[in-house]
Amino acid sequence: GENVGLHLPTLSVQEGDNSIINCAYSNSASDYFIWYKQESGKGPQFIIDIRSNMDKRQGQRVTVLLNKTVKHLSLQIAATQPGDSAVYFCAAEGSGNTGKLIFGQGTTLQVKP
Amino acid sequence: NAGVTQTPKFRILKIGQSMTLQCTQDMNHNYMYWYRQDPGMGLKLIYYSVGAGITDKGEVPNGYNVSRSTTEDFPLRLELAAPSQTSVYFCASSYPALGLVTDTQYFGPGTRLTVL
Repeated sequence: GENVGLHLPTLSVQEGDNSIINCAYSNSASDYFIWYKQESGKGPQFIIDIRSNMDKRQGQRVTVLLNKTVKHLSLQIAATQPGDSAVYFCAAEGSGNTGKLIFGQGTTLQVKP
Repeated sequence: NAGVTQTPKFRILKIGQSMTLQCTQDMNHNYMYWYRQDPGMGLKLIYYSVGAGITDKGEVPNGYNVSRSTTEDFPLRLELAAPSQTSVYFCASSYPALGLVTDTQYFGPGTRLTVL
């Protein structure tokens, strides 16, 4: 079946450094990809998304890169801050053109002061 | 806009009891979703709806039921609660842009359910 997976369950970075969180997906027909941030006890919060007709999209301090050839997605966070500490999920469009998302298991980002 | 709201925030059920988790959105979104999140895991889709009167099963629908009588509300019903349904439940909504089906989903704060 379809699946979405993150490469590392935990990532620890120094405050001020850049963070890169990687994700792989299996459905080559996925058109839509999204990253969420989840803080403890809260619901997932939208960070950035990208469609398959693009390979890069930038937001405020965040960049998403999409490599459709190897079915790989990454989230880059510039100048990581303590407030960035959270669990990050990637999700990809599921098959069947139904609006469903398939979520990965999440990477915990720890920012060391 | 309040966005997506969920009630209750917490609930403890005994095995065999039933309850309804409420979800309301005030963004006039046509798509709504219910997910469960087990500890240390990603989100699994339980049910979803693409509009009032239309619902469909997701990845893990067993033990749950839904209805969508209005655009705003999408309640999730648990019948005969079991310990395996202990989880955090999230509701989400989406309004795909014209010509698209999948778009940003906005999540509620969640309901933490324990079945003992």
